[in-house]
Amino acid sequence: SQELEQSPQSLIVQEGKNLTINCTSSKTLYGLYWYKQKYGEGLIFLMMLQKGGEEKSHEKITAKLDEKKQQSSLHITASQPSHAGIYLCGADPSGTDKLIFGTGTRLQVFP
Amino acid sequence: DVKVTQSSRYLVKRTGEKVFLECVQDMDHENMFWYRQDPGLGLRLIYFSYDVKMKEKGDIPEGYSVSREKKERFSLILESASTNQTSMYLCASSLPAGHGDTQYFGPGTRLTVL
Repeated sequence: SQELEQSPQSLIVQEGKNLTINCTSSKTLYGLYWYKQKYGEGLIFLMMLQKGGEEKSHEKITAKLDEKKQQSSLHITASQPSHAGIYLCGADPSGTDKLIFGTGTRLQVFP
Repeated sequence: DVKVTQSSRYLVKRTGEKVFLECVQDMDHENMFWYRQDPGLGLRLIYFSYDVKMKEKGDIPEGYSVSREKKERFSLILESASTNQTSMYLCASSLPAGHGDTQYFGPGTRLTVL
């Protein structure tokens, strides 16, 4: 079965620093989703990527999907304490509505 | 603004009790989902419903059942709660595949079974 691997599992950065989170799949993805979760709460949708080579940005967060549609990266520029939380990638392996998720990357940003 | 609500944020139950977790969405979505989230295991799909009265087992349906009598409401039932069902439960809803949209999640219910 298809799995999503996220790296790193945990990240601690100083405020103002840039960082990147990766999500890798063993198979081609039909859609790749990025979510953010504050501790103990639900998931907040960030971005969705569908086309190989696609890149989307929202405020200081940029997500990219590689040409082969097997790897995605989430880049945060000039991190702030408000960026802290758990970042999860999700994917639709076969276009059937059911998503699989990575195990998440826990981000901490200290002043 | 899209909204998925769950009946409780925190719930404490005893082993053997019957537990109902309710989820309501106001987006007229066909699809609804129940996940559980555990440290190190990520989100795992318990059950999925693609229409009223329709359901499909996810990856870990054992010990759970679901009910969808109305389009906006999807209930997760633990017939006889056990301690290994202590977890964070997340509900989500979405349009059918092909609409280019995402799943929208509720705030979660943290269930503790003693």
